[in-house]
Amino acid sequence: DGGITQSPKYLFRKEGQNVTLSCEQNLNHDAMYWYRQDPGQGLRLIYYSQIVNDFQKGDIAEGYSVSREKKESFPLTVTSAQKNPTAFYLCASSITHTGGNQPQHFGDGTRLSIL
Amino acid sequence: EDQVTQSPEALRLQEGESSSLNCSYTVSGLRGLFWYRQDPGKGPEFLFTLYSAGEEKEKERLKATLTKKESFLHITAPKPEDSATYLCALNTGTASKLTFGTGTRLQVTL
Repeated sequence: DGGITQSPKYLFRKEGQNVTLSCEQNLNHDAMYWYRQDPGQGLRLIYYSQIVNDFQKGDIAEGYSVSREKKESFPLTVTSAQKNPTAFYLCASSITHTGGNQPQHFGDGTRLSIL
Repeated sequence: EDQVTQSPEALRLQEGESSSLNCSYTVSGLRGLFWYRQDPGKGPEFLFTLYSAGEEKEKERLKATLTKKESFLHITAPKPEDSATYLCALNTGTASKLTFGTGTRLQVTL
């Protein structure tokens, strides 16, 4: 079955620690995205990538980093510089970045908490 | 700045009681409006894309409509399995970047 796989489902971070969230897709989509979801707020864009080896900051990129070395994979690192990392993190992909009218399809998220 | 507002914040319906959810927006140039359904602890599930005013899309008990200022998600004779949070999102530029509303939490009871 084609889809987006996020792992782990739950993740705990200690103070001063970097953690990496995995996102893999087998939909052959060009574009991939990372969002953060907090209670009572809409999804907010952290980073997005339109093609391999290229990515752009979203609205709340501070304290996060990404890489896009393969079309299928777009890992997100939450660094120790992110002071409020507790949230539900969602990865998405879309067929292409052009046109602006392609729906994004989402994984089932990773819930990150602070120990 | 592009803005998306969803109302109501929460809605409780009895099974079979039809209603509508609202997504109003102020944007400089709409390139697509998307509706998603999100179950607790899960990622959003894509429902519809609307591109221009007057457009309508249907899927089972759901019907989405679009005007120049807002979109409605009509739910006809809902069932308990329709209980979820419904999200509206807009694309107003390139790179398929979406601006999301905060959602309407729908509960359908027997």
